Amino acid sequence: GALVYQYPRRTICKSGTSMRMECQAVGFQATSVAWYRQSPQKTFELIALSTVNSAIKYEQNFTQEKFPISHPNLSFSSMTVLNAYLEDRGLYLCGARGGTGGYEQYFGPGTRLTVL
Amino acid sequence: QQKVQQSPESLIVPEGAMTSLNCTFSDSASQYFAWYRQHSGKAPKALMSIFSNGEKEEGRFTIHLNKASLHFSLHIRDSQPSDSALYLCAEDTNAYKVIFGKGTHLHVLP
Repeated sequence: GALVYQYPRRTICKSGTSMRMECQAVGFQATSVAWYRQSPQKTFELIALSTVNSAIKYEQNFTQEKFPISHPNLSFSSMTVLNAYLEDRGLYLCGARGGTGGYEQYFGPGTRLTVL
Repeated sequence: QQKVQQSPESLIVPEGAMTSLNCTFSDSASQYFAWYRQHSGKAPKALMSIFSNGEKEEGRFTIHLNKASLHFSLHIRDSQPSDSALYLCAEDTNAYKVIFGKGTHLHVLP
């Protein structure tokens, strides 16, 4: 079946530092990968969408300069949170679509970021 | 900007009750509508989806879509404690971009 793995599951970083998180699709070829942030205050925010053969599109309030994303192949994506601050805390979820799944988005368990 | 609004934010129901969750979306051109469920500490997972106006039933779960009124709902018959979770309404206006609502926290009391 379709599975999405994320690494690390939890991470703590000091304010002003950066951290990288990874997303791996297993069992299907992800034609699109979306990164979301889930937080108590702002719930479920779409950060950016990466589609095969298309430029990565960032949502309002999110930029490539702050959240650079790499999607080198159909099964792997990574995102970095640069210069993290308290407002960047939350659960970062990767959602992948593709293969026979059609419209359904398969989520990984998320990377929980704590900023000290 | 596309928006998905969900109500209520939180809901507590007794076991066996009928639960209704509501969602309004902003674009009638959206092609795909879905409810996702996220149990505590777990990844969100698609529960049910629909592409056109109407109703769809799967076991105790029924979804209604009305594009004219921009309304999408989920109904759970005979609610069980295991149904307790965060329910997220999702809208997709094209093939790849999925927007979620804030979610409704459902608590089913045994």
